[in-house]
Amino acid sequence: AQSVSQHNHHVILSEAASLELGCNYSYGGTVNLFWYVQYPGQHLQLLLKYFSGDPLVKGIKGFEAEFIKSKFSFNLRKPSVQWSDTAEYFCAVNPSGAGSYQLTFGKGTKLSVIP
Amino acid sequence: DTAVSQTPKYLVTQMGNDKSIKCEQNLGHDTMYWYKQDSKKFLKIMFSYNNKELIINETVPNRFSPKSPDKAHLNLHINSLELGDSAVYFCASSQQGGTNSPLHFGNGTRLTVT
Repeated sequence: AQSVSQHNHHVILSEAASLELGCNYSYGGTVNLFWYVQYPGQHLQLLLKYFSGDPLVKGIKGFEAEFIKSKFSFNLRKPSVQWSDTAEYFCAVNPSGAGSYQLTFGKGTKLSVIP
Repeated sequence: DTAVSQTPKYLVTQMGNDKSIKCEQNLGHDTMYWYKQDSKKFLKIMFSYNNKELIINETVPNRFSPKSPDKAHLNLHINSLELGDSAVYFCASSQQGGTNSPLHFGNGTRLTVT
């Protein structure tokens, strides 16, 4: 079975700082990768996803993530964060072809952006 | 026009009681899920239903019983509640669970067992 590790539990940044949240997974085969975001008091929503092709994927609100197969990583980045990016971020993975039935989430990283 | 709605938002109850959480989606999705998020924010799938049929039943105590009267609803009934059941329970739906269509989550139900 696959697993997902998010190493940063809580990240605190000032506005305009650059962001990188780490995500590593363990699985022997090909995978699909996702980042979900949960704003305070709201539900989780999809930020971006990678299935195949260009390993650099762009999502909503200026976020992007890079899939590095050799490192089993899918780190989330944003060049300049805003206070409104304060949220909990979850990385998720499933085996290619398995679909959402086998989606496994990481434990999440809380991002606090200070104005 | 909430896409995935679950009720109640908060639920405080005593050990041994039986409670239910309701979930409805108006997205026309075929697949619905229940996830449990514990105090450490770990999000783990509990059940998945596709067109009212149980697809996934992870290692969950049989005190938890999902019921899907139709594909737009997936309710969660919990018998004999225990302290360890305290968590946030999220309902979600997707177009088809066997594909990579994204999950749409409800706002969660925070269950506190005293």
